[in-house]
Amino acid sequence: NAGVMQNPRHLVRRRGQEARLRCSPMKGHSHVYWYRQLPEEGLKFMVYLQKENIIDESGMPKERFSAEFPKEGPSILRIQQVVRGDSAAYFCASAEQGNYGYTFGSGTRLTVV
Amino acid sequence: AQRVTQPEKLLSVFKGAPVELKCNYSYSGSPELFWYVQYSRQRLQLLLRHISRESIKGFTADLNKGETSFHLKKPFAQEEDSAMYYCAPPNDYKLSFGAGTTVTVRA
Repeated sequence: NAGVMQNPRHLVRRRGQEARLRCSPMKGHSHVYWYRQLPEEGLKFMVYLQKENIIDESGMPKERFSAEFPKEGPSILRIQQVVRGDSAAYFCASAEQGNYGYTFGSGTRLTVV
Repeated sequence: AQRVTQPEKLLSVFKGAPVELKCNYSYSGSPELFWYVQYSRQRLQLLLRHISRESIKGFTADLNKGETSFHLKKPFAQEEDSAMYYCAPPNDYKLSFGAGTTVTVRA
């Protein structure tokens, strides 16, 4: 079991471009969570998804950010028209239903130049 | 909603000294609480959950309802304990995390 796989590990985008971050959950896990870690700050919840459903997106900025977890394939966090303030580490975690023992990925470090 | 406060952003201790990371919660019911740890260049991982009442890597955490605290303690810190530690309560079916405490254990 490869655990939670995130790619890419590092992503550099110019202002105005799109960033796509991928997360493949652990085998058997149907719940995916995305978190953002800004420099000098803790982990901030962004969105909670199950297959084909967004359960809670209360932590997502209203514009430019979207997330999906399709029936087949990884979960995608998409940031359109990136700005410098989007530079951060984005972490994905997966879990079984009702289990708060999350398994985290290694994260994607997004740098906007 | 459960909220936690980790008042110390940075904590430095000497090897062999006791270490205590503070976590205070605000919740009127019976809270569920977790400690997660992130070692350098490693993934965030679960360290302790209060309901299990077990000791992991020499760390323990006791839920104190009177003081509304869930402090993480270890009697003798080791250099490999240097890491970022997060206190985490569930909120609305997902975990939220405190601001985190960076622990440095000096030789």
